Amino acid sequence: GENVEQHPSTLSVQEGDSAVIKCTYSDSASNYFPWYKQELGKGPQLIIDIRSNVGEKKDQRIAVTLNKTAKHFSLHITETQPEDSAVYFCAASSLPQGGKLIFGQGTELSVKP
Amino acid sequence: DVKVTQSSRYLVKRTGEKVFLECVQDMDHENMFWYRQDPGLGLRLIYFSYDVKMKEKGDIPEGYSVSREKKERFSLILESASTNQTSMYLCASRAGGAQPQHFGDGTRLSIL
Repeated sequence: GENVEQHPSTLSVQEGDSAVIKCTYSDSASNYFPWYKQELGKGPQLIIDIRSNVGEKKDQRIAVTLNKTAKHFSLHITETQPEDSAVYFCAASSLPQGGKLIFGQGTELSVKP
Repeated sequence: DVKVTQSSRYLVKRTGEKVFLECVQDMDHENMFWYRQDPGLGLRLIYFSYDVKMKEKGDIPEGYSVSREKKERFSLILESASTNQTSMYLCASRAGGAQPQHFGDGTRLSIL
């Protein structure tokens, strides 16, 4: 069935360094790829998303890249800050199917001051 | 801002009980979803609904049912709670078209 693999499961960086989280998906019909950030005690919050007709998207310190041929996409956070510490989830969806998302397993990012 | 509200943050129930988890959204969204979140497994879809009184099974529907009598409210029902249903439950909603899902803050359910 449809599957999204996310790596690494934990990531520790020094403040100011960059962090990269990678995901691969199995369904070639997937065309929408959101990233969510989940802080302790909160629900996941959308931080950035990308659609299959775009290879890269940036929003300040956050960027997402998509390689449809290889079926993988990545989240890049530059100049990390302690408040970036959270669990990050990638997801994939074929939008005509009602927006059903398949989530990766999550990455716990720790930014050390 | 979209507001998705889950009625309880923490809930403790006993095995065999019938358990109701409630979710309300205030943005007139057509689509609503129930997930469970377990360490190392990410979020897994239990059920979703794309309209009032409509429901679709997700990836792990066994042991659960849902109800959507009004557009703004989506209920998850554990017919006879079991200990393996101890988990964090997350509700989400989404408008039609190419729109993202918005999540509530979750209900941490413990079945003793």
